[in-house]
Amino acid sequence: ILNVEQSPQSLHVQEGDSTNFTCSFPSSNFYALHWYRWETAKSPEALFVMTLNGDEKKKGRISATLNTKEGYSYLYIKGSQPEDSATYLCASYNTDKLIFGTGTRLQVFP
Amino acid sequence: EAQVTQNPRYLITVTGKKLTVTCSQNMNHEYMSWYRQDPGLGLRQIYYSMNVEVTDKGDVPEGYKVSRKEKRNFPLILESPSPNQTSLYFCASSPTSEEGYYGYTFGSGTRLTVV
Repeated sequence: ILNVEQSPQSLHVQEGDSTNFTCSFPSSNFYALHWYRWETAKSPEALFVMTLNGDEKKKGRISATLNTKEGYSYLYIKGSQPEDSATYLCASYNTDKLIFGTGTRLQVFP
Repeated sequence: EAQVTQNPRYLITVTGKKLTVTCSQNMNHEYMSWYRQDPGLGLRQIYYSMNVEVTDKGDVPEGYKVSRKEKRNFPLILESPSPNQTSLYFCASSPTSEEGYYGYTFGSGTRLTVV
């Protein structure tokens, strides 16, 4: 059974704080790692798809890194804003399927 | 606007009454998939389709059926719903499923309650 683990489960930060969370995934038969942003009452939206070891991707204040050899990815948010409040999902594509983690729920207080 | 349209958004039904949740995409995507989201669990795949007339079981297919007669549509059918199918359902699509290289586009979700 392939497991994708995310930590922490939830996070509360103050506006302006930078934060990061972790996604651990199986390194065997790995093809791609997805990050999604999921706001309450909306649908998940793709942030990044990463495939190569050492990949780094950035979108505004959000960036992600990938280590395929040890099976982890970090998502960073610089200078968190209240509109960053959401659940951040990662998903790993191994062999022939995409497996989702349970997400990290971020709340940013003004 | 490129999107996945899912209907209905909310549905309350009774045990045993057949229902269909529709999903349609306008991006000419080959790959479509259904997921369910339950508290404390990640999105779990119910069924998926690599292309027209090609469907396959995901991790939790029991009690569900799908069809893919046209590229754009991928309805989810519950022939005899039971309370354990109460969940939040998402339809998703992708250009292809090839090695996960493309991000998925999700529908707006259907919150189903079976009483």
